[in-house]
Amino acid sequence: GQSLEQPSEVTAVEGAIVQINCTYQTSGFYGLSWYQQHDGGAPTFLSYNGLDGLEETGRFSSFLSRSDSYGYLLLQELQMKDSASYFCAVLTGSARQLTFGSGTQLTVLP
Amino acid sequence: NAGVTQTPKFRVLKTGQSMTLLCAQDMNHEYMYWYRQDPGMGLRLIHYSVGEGTTAKGEVPDGYNVSRLKKQNFLLGLESAAPSQTSVYFCASSLAADTQYFGPGTRLTVL
Repeated sequence: GQSLEQPSEVTAVEGAIVQINCTYQTSGFYGLSWYQQHDGGAPTFLSYNGLDGLEETGRFSSFLSRSDSYGYLLLQELQMKDSASYFCAVLTGSARQLTFGSGTQLTVLP
Repeated sequence: NAGVTQTPKFRVLKTGQSMTLLCAQDMNHEYMYWYRQDPGMGLRLIHYSVGEGTTAKGEVPDGYNVSRLKKQNFLLGLESAAPSQTSVYFCASSLAADTQYFGPGTRLTVL
């Protein structure tokens, strides 16, 4: 089976940088994805790492190390609207199924 | 372009009742997925489909059935609802499978 671990809560102040780590154990691994979910809303795609290294999209970056079964999401210049849950998810299987972690609740303080 | 839509948005059932949740996408995606999300948890895959006429079991398929008769629609059925099926249900679709697009969710309560 698959298992993922990520911190349950992170708190930071506006303008700061925060890193959310994710470690995983899985078979048939294709890549690591990150999704954002605001309270009561649908998950929305943030980034995907299929290869080792850093992917940057605006204020958000994501990193993957396949040899360490580890990845992280880096959020820079935090804004109040970034307060949400962030889920890492491993992509596996012939149908590219996603298995989600339990999520990290990010609270951005003024 | 509506993306992924789900019907209904809210539903309350009594134990033993049946219902069908409808997911529709207008992006011509091959892959479609049904997830459930319980409070404070991540999403768990119930069933998925890699194309019209195909379905497969995910992580938590018991008590659910699905059908994909048309490429744009993916139906999730509960034949005999149980309180343990109280959850928020999300449908998603994908073209290349590394990016999934989610619907707004259906909030189901089983009494």
